[in-house]
Amino acid sequence: DAKTTQPPSMDCAEGRAANLPCNHSTISGNEYVYWYRQIHSQGPQYIIHGLKNNETNEMASLIITEDRKSSTLILPHATLRDTAVYYCIVRDVYGGATNKLIFGTGTLLAVQP
Amino acid sequence: DADVTQTPRNRITKTGKRIMLECSQTKGHDRMYWYRQDPGLGLRLIYYSFDVKDINKGEISDGYSVSRQAQAKFSLSLESAIPNQTALYFCATSDSRLADEQFFGPGTRLTVL
Repeated sequence: DAKTTQPPSMDCAEGRAANLPCNHSTISGNEYVYWYRQIHSQGPQYIIHGLKNNETNEMASLIITEDRKSSTLILPHATLRDTAVYYCIVRDVYGGATNKLIFGTGTLLAVQP
Repeated sequence: DADVTQTPRNRITKTGKRIMLECSQTKGHDRMYWYRQDPGLGLRLIYYSFDVKDINKGEISDGYSVSRQAQAKFSLSLESAIPNQTALYFCATSDSRLADEQFFGPGTRLTVL
């Protein structure tokens, strides 16, 4: 079972920031938060991951709360090409046999012109 | 990602037929995975391999088998295809020495009649 909870869908205006929330209240100390996205019927694409500090890369920013029970993925200037299903995944990268992605149903982000 | 290729991209077959889906990667990654995706659902792990001699069952391995012929190749077989194996199949790779983010192939759409 997925260890995360995400809203099923969100809308965002083109050019505005898209803030995608994720709850992971049972996250353990060794588990990272990963975000992937899947544009219609394509293979999922890695976006970003973090443990407890906020992270930023060329695609997005990841804000993790201090208690690590929730996080927010931020796309600073959403474009139409960012329309996709976004998956929030928690994973123990030191877990050996458990070191695999478990996808939930994600959030469908629709960027509106 | 062009570094992970899947063949065929589309396949229509009949119940009872043996089907092999192939995955090749040029990324030099040690880990490879097979997932399936059903409409409206997230990806589910079928099998994964952390090295050439390592094969592990995922969440839904029944009805499937795999072969890791070389580090760069990981094939998925359906010994006797059935209609509920109609799905989108994705291969993925990752490097255990790095952040272990997974890179996905373009997918194979399989229809079992």
